Amino acid sequence: EVQLVESGGGLIQPGGSLRLSCAASGFNVNTYYMSWVRQAPGKGLEWVSVIYSGGNTNYAASVKGRFTISGDNSKNTLYLQMNSLRAEDTAVYFCAREWFGGGAFDVWGQGTMVTVSS
Amino acid sequence: EVVMTHSPATLSVSPGEGATLSCRASQSIDSNLAWYQQKPGQAPRLLILGASSRATGVPARFSGSGSGTEFTLTISSLQSEDFAVYYCQQYNNWPWTFGQGTKVDIK
Repeated sequence: EVQLVESGGGLIQPGGSLRLSCAASGFNVNTYYMSWVRQAPGKGLEWVSVIYSGGNTNYAASVKGRFTISGDNSKNTLYLQMNSLRAEDTAVYFCAREWFGGGAFDVWGQGTMVTVSS
Repeated sequence: EVVMTHSPATLSVSPGEGATLSCRASQSIDSNLAWYQQKPGQAPRLLILGASSRATGVPARFSGSGSGTEFTLTISSLQSEDFAVYYCQQYNNWPWTFGQGTKVDIK
């Protein structure tokens, strides 16, 4: 079964750091474009970051320079290192797989909640 | 970035009735549009990609149409499990962007 399972969320103070993980099963993460998408409480969806199958990465302007996406092929796991966290980063973070044709997200994890508050 | 705008924000529909949801892009995105369904506490579910192609396992009562800047998601006869929030997403211009969603609730 194709599945994504996120972990690592929690309560963190402003300025702090957190690393999210997304364990994949049923497919190899290094053969797909993999993204993080977040959703602030009661709000819509916001794309955050992508790692391409070749290893290149891209980020939303709101997180560039603070967040780093990476993957571990041996563990079939995607990561999001989040530094210098702000209150506006508070959201449910989903990892998602782009379908093989690119662009649309056909597999999603259940999400992990990140709360940035003092 | 491309701004995606849904209308209406909320749609009240009786079970068995049809529903038409609209999504507009701030510039042309060809047919590079997806629709998602999200229920409370759950991840989004891909319904439509390429503006009109149903994703695997999506019932035939869901259909998508449009190209350029105007897009429509039609649900032909709402079932109880269809009451949810629906989002459109463009993947023509970087960064990929989502609309703010249309909530379909029970009338």
